[in-house]
Amino acid sequence: QQQVKQSPQSLIVQKGGISIINCAYENTAFDYFPWYQQFPGKGPALLIAIRPDVSEKKEGRFTISFNKSAKQFSLHIMDSQPGDSATYFCAASMEYTDKLIFGTGTRLQVFP
Amino acid sequence: DAGVTQSPTHLIKTRGQQVTLRCSPISGHKSVSWYQQVLGQGPQFIFQYYEKEERGRGNFPDRFSARQFPNYSSELNVNALLLGDSALYLCASSVDRGPQPYGYTFGSGTRLTVV
Repeated sequence: QQQVKQSPQSLIVQKGGISIINCAYENTAFDYFPWYQQFPGKGPALLIAIRPDVSEKKEGRFTISFNKSAKQFSLHIMDSQPGDSATYFCAASMEYTDKLIFGTGTRLQVFP
Repeated sequence: DAGVTQSPTHLIKTRGQQVTLRCSPISGHKSVSWYQQVLGQGPQFIFQYYEKEERGRGNFPDRFSARQFPNYSSELNVNALLLGDSALYLCASSVDRGPQPYGYTFGSGTRLTVV
């Protein structure tokens, strides 16, 4: 119940295309869902986050879609660029707890 | 402003040895968390410290310990190293106790290799 399942494991997208990464969870006590971006040799960096009281959040080219009934959420990267090539992690946490539970990661490669 | 600083960046240890990893959080951040990231996997929670007290502990053996100092910097200690301890160890700091609502800022990590 503490897991966050992420797919796909890897993704190849052409420049200008849309990248979509999906995550699913079981524990309905989760109430915070961030996405992190990690470049090789670096730590994860917070990209965007959402709470279950909204169905969508957009920041620039990055959008989180959230489906509370299905217990699923996804990251959409519009107009994907080669500079977006990185590993993306979804995560979840419960209020008043001290940890993030991460998915297994998706390696995104954007080709020109 | 400096981000989260971790040292050393890389180190190699032999099985059975002990290691100490260090982390300096962002100025003004009182919470430090430690995560282990095995190659090809997502980070796994080890510890969280807030205001110098342990606030959370993940599913790791007692060989793992940590502490937070009055200046909010932190150390992670691992005793009796095993080959399976080889990983990237990440430190994250935050303003409040947990990752909500402002998120974590991660350091670049310490790459530990146990041979």
